Amino acid sequence: AQKITQTQPGMFVQEKEAVTLDCTYDTSDPSYGLFWYKQPSSGEMIFLIYQGSYDQQNATEGRYSLNFQKARKSANLVISASQLGDSAMYFCAMSPLGSARQLTFGSGTQLTVLP
Amino acid sequence: GAGVSQSPSNKVTEKGKDVELRCDPISGHTALYWYRQSLGQGLEFLIYFQGNSAPDKSGLPSDRFSAERTGGSVSTLTIQRTQQEDSAVYLCASSSGGLLNEQFFGPGTRLTVL
Repeated sequence: AQKITQTQPGMFVQEKEAVTLDCTYDTSDPSYGLFWYKQPSSGEMIFLIYQGSYDQQNATEGRYSLNFQKARKSANLVISASQLGDSAMYFCAMSPLGSARQLTFGSGTQLTVLP
Repeated sequence: GAGVSQSPSNKVTEKGKDVELRCDPISGHTALYWYRQSLGQGLEFLIYFQGNSAPDKSGLPSDRFSAERTGGSVSTLTIQRTQQEDSAVYLCASSSGGLLNEQFFGPGTRLTVL
């Protein structure tokens, strides 16, 4: 069984500053992938970044980076230089590696970027 | 289009009626997933299809829910005798089934049961 915990229901950040969204996980699978999705008010789920459990280096994708600490079972999303368009709900998710299995999602963090 | 498409985008129905929701995955993707998102909540897995294998139905909340995938492409999620608690956004996703299995989502169908 897998479980994702996002403890920040809401976060605020000033435009152009960096923000960290927390995610911790629990799994019995030896290998797994961790994902972050963005859901704007329009409702679509936008894939942002992923990290394989075997990766030694933290994943980066433009202004997004994933701070992966395997021993702590955390996979925090860091957004640098926040923009107004970053205001959205952010979901952390995971699935086992090597099989087309469903994602387990956290409850999400609502990020608001202030001008 | 290149992405996952879903229809209808909105569906309003009366309690007790049956509804069908459609998903067209990204061409070539072998895996297809259905999720449900209730208001202000995270996503809840319903069912997934992988190639010609039997679908994983472990997330379906009741026997009123069923889904099929024809020809390994288009999928239809059917809810029979709808209840008010079925009101939610139903999201479909597809993936190529690769090692990291990145899933790409459609825009969803917002179902309202009156």
